[in-house]
Amino acid sequence: KQEVTQIPAALSVPEGENLVLNCSFTDSAIYNLQWFRQDPGKGLTSLLLIQSSQREQTSGRLNASLDKSSGRSTLYIAASQPGDSATYLCAVSAGFGNEKLTFGTGTRLTIIP
Amino acid sequence: DADVTQTPRNRITKTGKRIMLECSQTKGHDRMYWYRQDPGLGLQLIYYSFDVKDINKGEISDGYSVSRQAQAKFSLSLESAIPNQTALYFCATSGGRGGETQYFGPGTRLLVL
Repeated sequence: KQEVTQIPAALSVPEGENLVLNCSFTDSAIYNLQWFRQDPGKGLTSLLLIQSSQREQTSGRLNASLDKSSGRSTLYIAASQPGDSATYLCAVSAGFGNEKLTFGTGTRLTIIP
Repeated sequence: DADVTQTPRNRITKTGKRIMLECSQTKGHDRMYWYRQDPGLGLQLIYYSFDVKDINKGEISDGYSVSRQAQAKFSLSLESAIPNQTALYFCATSGGRGGETQYFGPGTRLLVL
């Protein structure tokens, strides 16, 4: 059974710093990995999706990397802003045409102004 | 208007009551999902449907049932609610062409007394 772990569970950093969030998974036979953002009282918003054949994806100040063989992904946030405060979730999918997702428990990020 | 809507947004019910949570989407997606989120446990898949005639159990389907009334509508029922079903429930959709993200509704917060 696939298990996804995110460490740390919570992180606080001053505004302007660069930071890295970590995600690890036990079964490397994944189709893709996604990073989501969850704001209190709201649903999940997809940030980045990395196919298993890719090494990284970038969107603005966000960069996600994937090392499938070691079962790890990182989400790098550059020049953090208070608006980045949220819970970040990573999730892996099982296979093509099978988009069932297995989620990590998330990292709650607080950016201190 | 939001692409994925859920009703109600909040619900308080008593043990033993039957309740239904509804999800509608305007994205034209065939695939729909129901997840629950508990503090510290991440999101767990309850049921998923790849088209109107295809419904499948997820990781934690016991105590739940679903109905796919149309491509755009997917309902989750708790036949006899119990307190440990208190959670945040999310509906999601995906296009099903492989490698796509899932789009989430805003969630329904359910409290079973």
